[in-house]
Amino acid sequence: KQEVTQIPAALSVPEGENLVLNCSFTDSAIYNLQWFRQDPGKGLTSLLLIQSSQREQTSGRLNASLDKSSGRSTLYIAASQPGDSATYLCAIHSGNTPLVFGKGTRLSVIA
Amino acid sequence: GAGVSQSPSNKVTEKGKDVELRCDPISGHTALYWYRQSLGQGLEFLIYFQGNSAPDKSGLPSDRFSAERTGGSVSTLTIQRTQQEDSAVYLCASKTAGGPQDEQYFGPGTRLTVT
Repeated sequence: KQEVTQIPAALSVPEGENLVLNCSFTDSAIYNLQWFRQDPGKGLTSLLLIQSSQREQTSGRLNASLDKSSGRSTLYIAASQPGDSATYLCAIHSGNTPLVFGKGTRLSVIA
Repeated sequence: GAGVSQSPSNKVTEKGKDVELRCDPISGHTALYWYRQSLGQGLEFLIYFQGNSAPDKSGLPSDRFSAERTGGSVSTLTIQRTQQEDSAVYLCASKTAGGPQDEQYFGPGTRLTVT
C-alpha cells in the first residue's frame, strides 16, 4: 500500500528565501507525482506534474524533482513571497486509481 | 474552458439530516473521483467512477455514504443521517480516459459542517 510522507509539516521563512519541501513515498511503481497548492478554505491548485520517466519539472519560481528509485520528490521555491503562503500537497498516482496524498506542508512566508 | 464545479460551496446541516453534494466534471472526462479532507487530516479517497464500469467504492467510510453518476457526467455524493465526524471538505476531481498518466483536475470543494 502506497504511503506518502511530507516533511516538514510546517515551515516559516522570511520573504526572499529559497526553500525546499520534501515528499517521500513507499512504492516506487508510480505513473506520476503531482504537487498541489491549497489556500485556506479552498480547493486544490495543481502546480507541477512529473511523469515517472521524468526527473524534474519547472514552472516559474517552482522546480520539482523526482527520484523514483529512492522514493523521493522535492519542491523547490525560489525567492519566496508572502503570496506563496499556503499548504503544499504531494500526491502519487499509481495508475487508474485514486491519488494518494501526503498530509502537506504548511508554508508561511513572512514579509 | 470550464473546470470542475461543485455545489454547494458550503453546507451546514444538523446531525441526523441527509445531505447531497454535487459535482460537475469537465466535459468529456470519463473518470470522476470523490475525496474527503477532514480537519488536520490528509485527503482520503472515497469513490471512483470510470466510464460505464462499476464504481470503486472501497474508500467509503460507512454505508451512510453513497454516490451515483448519471449519464456519465454529473455525480452526487449522498450522506445519510449525518454525524459530526462527517464534517470535512469534500473534493471532486475528473480525468480524461487518455491513460493513467493523465492529470486529475480538482473542483473547489464543498465544506460540510454538521452541528
